[in-house]
Amino acid sequence: QVQLVESGGGVVQPGKSLRLSCAASGFRFRDYGMHWVRQAPGKGLEWVAIIWSDGAATYYGDSVKGRFTVSRDNSKNTLFLQMNSLRAEDTAMYYCARDFYSDRSGYIFDYWGQGTLVTVFS
Amino acid sequence: SSDLTQDPAVSVALGQTVRITCQADSLRRYYASWYQQKPGQAPVLVMYGKNNRPSGIPDRFSGSSSGNTASLTITGAQAEDEADYYCNSRDSNGNHLGVFGGGTKLTVL
Repeated sequence: QVQLVESGGGVVQPGKSLRLSCAASGFRFRDYGMHWVRQAPGKGLEWVAIIWSDGAATYYGDSVKGRFTVSRDNSKNTLFLQMNSLRAEDTAMYYCARDFYSDRSGYIFDYWGQGTLVTVFS
Repeated sequence: SSDLTQDPAVSVALGQTVRITCQADSLRRYYASWYQQKPGQAPVLVMYGKNNRPSGIPDRFSGSSSGNTASLTITGAQAEDEADYYCNSRDSNGNHLGVFGGGTKLTVL
């Protein structure tokens, strides 16, 4: 079965960096685009980034553009999110999610991990 | 702010029918997808496309779209349907950015 397991979250000071990982199993990882979605405590979902299946393209939400970088290692079935210049407002649960394509639709997230918590606190 | 507008809260009596809506100009051209999130859990995809349920989602969930509004309908709501529901679609410019609605908290009375 499809499994996505995030790791790498923790407490970090403002301005510092953190790298999240998402280990995928149960499907051909190299065939799917992958997303990061976050959720601040008590708030709604916010889309963060997508990377295409071959890593050829990446796109970011406005709030993280220029600070976060999504990447993947298809040989290790792993997705990454490098987060630099962290701010208090980046405090959130970070989920990785698999992309599912359907015609005339926006992004569809068909499987989600359980998330890893990032707290930016001085 | 969000390109997709949802009512913050909706309630339904047990066994009755409830419609959760999502509004945006982009929904005139693109379908929404819908996610259910229970406290302390990751979101779960419950509806996508014109009216497609992923495997394992009960058939009391259905989707529809009209004009700038997408709807998720639960026919015969159960206690376990109490959750937050989020819609998702393309942003208003139709580019490669993802966007979620603000979410609707469904209470089953």
